[in-house]
Amino acid sequence: EAAVTQSPRSKVAVTGGKVTLSCHQTNNHDYMYWYRQDTGHGLRLIHYSYVADSTEKGDIPDGYKASRPSQENFSLILELASLSQTAVYFCASSVLDLSSYEQYFGPGTRLTVL
Amino acid sequence: QQQVRQSPQSLTVWEGGTTVLTCSYEDSTFNYFPWYQQFPGEGPALLISILSVSDKKEDGRFTTFFNKREKKLSLHIIDSQPGDSATYFCARGTGNTGKLIFGLGTTLQVQP
Repeated sequence: EAAVTQSPRSKVAVTGGKVTLSCHQTNNHDYMYWYRQDTGHGLRLIHYSYVADSTEKGDIPDGYKASRPSQENFSLILELASLSQTAVYFCASSVLDLSSYEQYFGPGTRLTVL
Repeated sequence: QQQVRQSPQSLTVWEGGTTVLTCSYEDSTFNYFPWYQQFPGEGPALLISILSVSDKKEDGRFTTFFNKREKKLSLHIIDSQPGDSATYFCARGTGNTGKLIFGLGTTLQVQP
């Protein structure tokens, strides 16, 4: 069964600090995604990647960087955390199958920036 | 930029009743429309999906309808159960990148 894990599950960070969120998948999927979820905004795509060592900007990339060092691992980096980045962050993975865009989500990381 | 409009924002139904959730979209060029279900404290999980070549797909108590002419998608849950209480997101595929655009979600509460 598909498995996407995220660490940490929750984090409190200070404004201006650096935050790294990690994601690991054992699905052998090529595609990985980072979303943020806010009340009233649903799920919004931050960055995604379709191959190791390459990342693409999503719909809201400002203030975030991403890193895909291997097929299994995908990180989201907040170089200078801000209050507005308080949210729940989800990682997901998928295969490239144009008849089924099914994405498998991790359990999420709750980030609070103070 | 919201390209998938979902309604209602929240909904309460009685156990055994039928739940209807709807989505509308602006662009008809995409061919994949999934529904995701999310329980509190968990990530979303695929519930059911439909391709634009079909107008109906059924999976147990869950049925999704696609109306290409009206650019509308709906999810029907028959015999709703308290365990169906969750947030439901519709989405659409965006091309050959596997990306999805999500609606804002509908929070469903099924009362026993």
